Amino acid sequence: AQSVTQLGSHVSVSEGALVLLRCNYSSSVPPYLFWYVQYPNQGLQLLLKYTSAATLVKGINGFEAEFKKSETSFHLTKPSAHMSDAAEYFCAVRKVGSNYKLTFGKGTLLTVNP
Amino acid sequence: EAGVTQFPSHSVIEKGQTVTLRCDPISGHDNLYWYRRVMGKEIKFLLHFVKESKQDESGMPNNRFLAERTGGTYSTLKVQPAELEDSGVYFCASSLSEGGSNQPQHFGDGTRLSIL
Repeated sequence: AQSVTQLGSHVSVSEGALVLLRCNYSSSVPPYLFWYVQYPNQGLQLLLKYTSAATLVKGINGFEAEFKKSETSFHLTKPSAHMSDAAEYFCAVRKVGSNYKLTFGKGTLLTVNP
Repeated sequence: EAGVTQFPSHSVIEKGQTVTLRCDPISGHDNLYWYRRVMGKEIKFLLHFVKESKQDESGMPNNRFLAERTGGTYSTLKVQPAELEDSGVYFCASSLSEGGSNQPQHFGDGTRLSIL
């Protein structure tokens, strides 16, 4: 069975600082990987996805993530945090093939301090 | 293009009552999914429709939950009778069929369900 671990339920950074949100997956074969963001009182919005093409994936709002098979990781980064990045971030995996269901991590709440 | 729409946004009912949640997917999306997030826990898969057929309902908690998608358009999720542990946020998502599981799932804003 697949699983996703997000290290740190709450991450706090200063405005302008590097954002690093960690995600590790457990799967017998490399899955598809996704990062979603949920702003307050809104639904989940897709930030970026890895689907076995380039290992460095660029997403919206200046975020990017790198798939590292040897480390079974898909960490999310942004060079310079903005106040508007404050939200909850979810890493999710999906098996390659006919099973479409997403398995989510527990989420990381990002706080950006002025 | 309209996104995934869920109704109601909030619902507060008493234990033992019935509640029906509705989801309108993005037009043309054959795949429709329901997920749930109980407070403090991760978002969990409930089920997956392809058009009006249930492709995977392995995440449905018990037989108090009934999901339908008549006609392959909108979907409803009924909880009857509701129990305290059913409280949480219910998300609906949809995706295209072309491209298979490579297609991203687009989520609605969710329905926050509170059982008193």
